[in-house]
Amino acid sequence: GENVEQHPSTLSVQEGDSAVIKCTYSDSASNYFPWYKQELGKRPQLIIDIRSNVGEKKDQRIAVTLNKTAKHFSLHITETQPEDSAVYFCAASEPSTLTFGKGTMLLVSP
Amino acid sequence: DAGVIQSPRHEVTEMGQEVTLRCKPISGHNSLFWYRQTMMRGLELLIYFNNNVPIDDSGMPEDRFSAKMPNASFSTLKIQPSEPRDSAVYFCASSLEGAGANNEQFFGPGTRLTVL
Repeated sequence: GENVEQHPSTLSVQEGDSAVIKCTYSDSASNYFPWYKQELGKRPQLIIDIRSNVGEKKDQRIAVTLNKTAKHFSLHITETQPEDSAVYFCAASEPSTLTFGKGTMLLVSP
Repeated sequence: DAGVIQSPRHEVTEMGQEVTLRCKPISGHNSLFWYRQTMMRGLELLIYFNNNVPIDDSGMPEDRFSAKMPNASFSTLKIQPSEPRDSAVYFCASSLEGAGANNEQFFGPGTRLTVL
């Protein structure tokens, strides 16, 4: 089955800095890669996703890149704000189910 | 739409007791997923239903866990007997069909289970 590795497990940045979270996957058949944000005590919510036929996708301050050859995908957050503080999960779709990474706790200090 | 509904939100029980978690998916969604979240193991898929039929239960940890979906609007996850290591947050999620593109999974608020 699919295996998704996510790094780093914790990331601390100053407000206004950029943050990058990286994931790798093992199954070349995976073709859809969503990112979820989970605030403390809340449910995971989809923030951005990318399909395997696209290399990059942007939505305001967040972007995701995908390298199918290397089986890497990354989340980029620019101009971070304190409200970006949360746990971020990457996932890969097989396509009936999602396999999630272990999560990255992002802390944005004012 | 109220989104995915789960009950109870919190459950505290003693080891050996039966625990039943409940989920109502979003109306019109054909796929339902049960996940378990812990600090050590992250978000793990336990079981996946499509059109009320269990498709993949390979994530169910052992025979103490069982799940049912008697109709399109209701699912249960049962643990019998419960053990302290079952303590976790259990999420239910639903999607239109599976987990591919254009099939966002919407998560419920979760049930925080504590087994003493």
